Amino acid sequence: EPEVTQTPSHQVTQMGQEVILRCVPISNHLYFYWYRQILGQKVEFLVSFYNNEISEKSEIFDDQFSVERPDGSNFTLKIRSTKLEDSAMYFCASSEARGAYEQYFGPGTRLTVT
Amino acid sequence: AQSVTQLDSQVPVFEEAPVELRCNYSSSVSVYLFWYVQYPNQGLQLLLKYLSGSTLVESINGFEAEFNKSQTSFHLRKPSVHISDTAEYFCAVSRTGFQKLVFGTGTRLLVSP
Repeated sequence: EPEVTQTPSHQVTQMGQEVILRCVPISNHLYFYWYRQILGQKVEFLVSFYNNEISEKSEIFDDQFSVERPDGSNFTLKIRSTKLEDSAMYFCASSEARGAYEQYFGPGTRLTVT
Repeated sequence: AQSVTQLDSQVPVFEEAPVELRCNYSSSVSVYLFWYVQYPNQGLQLLLKYLSGSTLVESINGFEAEFNKSQTSFHLRKPSVHISDTAEYFCAVSRTGFQKLVFGTGTRLLVSP
């Protein structure tokens, strides 16, 4: 069964460093998403991406964050200058279409900022 | 804006007992409702969803949820749980026609023999 994959599974970085989290969505999906879950808190929507542009983003997704689909298969989340409060589990998801269609989630990348 | 409340952070239950995981939502517009499950070290998997029509929806592994508009609830039930049902369960809503999922804080279901 096709699945969303994410690398790395765990990333440790120092405050102020740039990180890139990578995701390979399911191949025929058109919509891509990033969510995050700070330990003990809710899973929060960050951004959705369609047709090579951001279709929706949350207040969390400020100028420190960017997304890209560089090569037609990968979908990346970049954090330009990490802060301690960026430590969280980051989930990538993809779906065939918007709205009612199921979002398929990856296993997540645990980001630890020290 | 939409919000989801899962009042129970953890629900311990014995194997073969019934269980109900509670979910209440708040929205001024029509929504879709979802239950996702997360097994240890895995991503979120869709368990079931309510889009429209019959208010009772079922999953392939025996779970069911009922959409109650007047009580703004979407509780998840199973009449007899297995050890393998031990996982974190997340209730989520999305505004109809939109993509963003709004999640509750999750309920950890612990099934013991």
